[in-house]
Amino acid sequence: DQQVKQNSPSLSVQEGRISILNCDYTNSMFDYFLWYKKYPAEGPTFLISISSIKDKNEDGRFTVFLNKSAKHLSLHIVPSQPGDSAVYFCAASETETSGSRLTFGEGTQLTVNP
Amino acid sequence: EPEVTQTPSHQVTQMGQEVILRCVPISNHLYFYWYRQILGQKVEFLVSFYNNEISEKSEIFDDQFSVERPDGSNFTLKIRSTKLEDSAMYFCASSEGNSPLHFGNGTRLTVT
Repeated sequence: DQQVKQNSPSLSVQEGRISILNCDYTNSMFDYFLWYKKYPAEGPTFLISISSIKDKNEDGRFTVFLNKSAKHLSLHIVPSQPGDSAVYFCAASETETSGSRLTFGEGTQLTVNP
Repeated sequence: EPEVTQTPSHQVTQMGQEVILRCVPISNHLYFYWYRQILGQKVEFLVSFYNNEISEKSEIFDDQFSVERPDGSNFTLKIRSTKLEDSAMYFCASSEGNSPLHFGNGTRLTVT
C-alpha cells in the first residue's frame, strides 16, 4: 500500500532549528490529513491536522502545509526541541467524518540534538 | 487527560489459539477502532465500530477477526485462530464526533 509515503526514514536537526518532515500521497480522494507523533512503547499521539480546503494550519511550534496539486504535505517544527525526538507519522483520510479509516505513511524518525 | 487503556501490554500465544485483546476507550467517545503495526511495516487500519456495529473494515479483517463492545466501557478484538503473521502491535483508538483519533499504548501480540 503506497498511497501515503514518507520518503525519509530519519531526520536529524539541531535544537532551535527548523525540522521539516515531508509526506506524499497518491489517492486524490484523500480530503483530510493528520500528523501523529509516537514515542517508543506508546501509541501515536495526534499533533495537528489539515482539511483539503486549506493550505496551512498552525498550532504553536507546529505548522502543516498542504499542496493539493502536488499531493504533498509537510510538517514544520520551529524551534525544534530535544523532546520532539520521536517517530512522526503522516496519515490521510477520505473524509473528516469519524469512522473512516486512516491510511498511514511509514513514519520518519526525528532526532533533535541538544 | 483521559486515555485509551489497553490490556495486556504483551500477549504470547501459540498458533491456532484464540486471543482477546481488550481496550477501554475514552468514556464519552462514540467511535472505536483497531489498527495494527507489524514490525517494520506501516500502521494499518483493521476496523471501525459505531453504535454497536462495524462501520468499516479492511481486507485484513477477515472471518478470523471479530470485535465486540460487551458492556458500556470495554471494546475487544478477538482473533479466533491465530497465525504466525498475526504477530504485531495492536492499537485501539477512539474518537468523539469529528475529532482526531486517540490511541492506546498498544498490545504486542506474539504468535509462536
